[in-house]
Amino acid sequence: AQSVTQPDIHITVSEGASLELRCNYSYGATPYLFWYVQSPGQGLQLLLKYFSGDTLVQGIKGFEAEFKRSQSSFNLRKPSVHWSDAAEYFCAVVLYSGGGADGLTFGKGTHLIIQP
Amino acid sequence: DTGVSQDPRHKITKRGQNVTFRCDPISEHNRLYWYRQTLGQGPEFLTYFQNEAQLEKSRLLSDRFSAERPKGSFSTLEIQRTEQGDSAMYLCASSLAGLLDGYTFGSGTRLTVV
Repeated sequence: AQSVTQPDIHITVSEGASLELRCNYSYGATPYLFWYVQSPGQGLQLLLKYFSGDTLVQGIKGFEAEFKRSQSSFNLRKPSVHWSDAAEYFCAVVLYSGGGADGLTFGKGTHLIIQP
Repeated sequence: DTGVSQDPRHKITKRGQNVTFRCDPISEHNRLYWYRQTLGQGPEFLTYFQNEAQLEKSRLLSDRFSAERPKGSFSTLEIQRTEQGDSAMYLCASSLAGLLDGYTFGSGTRLTVV
């Protein structure tokens, strides 16, 4: 079954510093991978997605992610964080059943704290 | 278009009561998804519709949960005989062509069962 692991429950980063959030997936074939962000009181917002092709994916708000098949990873990065980046970040993989692609399986999330 | 709308934002109910939540997707989106999110967890997929057809419902948590989308527009999620373990955020999302396009999520309905 498809699954996603986000090893870090909380991460604290100083404003202006670089950021990397880890995501490991479990799926036999090439996965379809996503990163979403959830701010308090807001719906989840899609940051970026990977299906195939270039393994470095650019997203919104200055985020990027790199797919590494050998490590089963899809880590999210940002070169310089802003206080407004404080939020919950979720990695997700497409969930397949006998009928095809259904929903997404999400990781438990990483809570990002920005220090001034 | 104002995005995906969910109503109510908050619902407090007594154990054993039935509750119904409503989701209005983006108007041109033909796919609609329901998720549940408990504290400290990522969203958990429940079910989805393409137009009025419910294409996957085996992941609904029990037979107390049901969902409808009678005219292919808005959808309702009903929980019968609520239990304290049903306390969670219930999220709705919609998509134009499928989940590979990425979803637009609503802000959710927070259910508290007392």
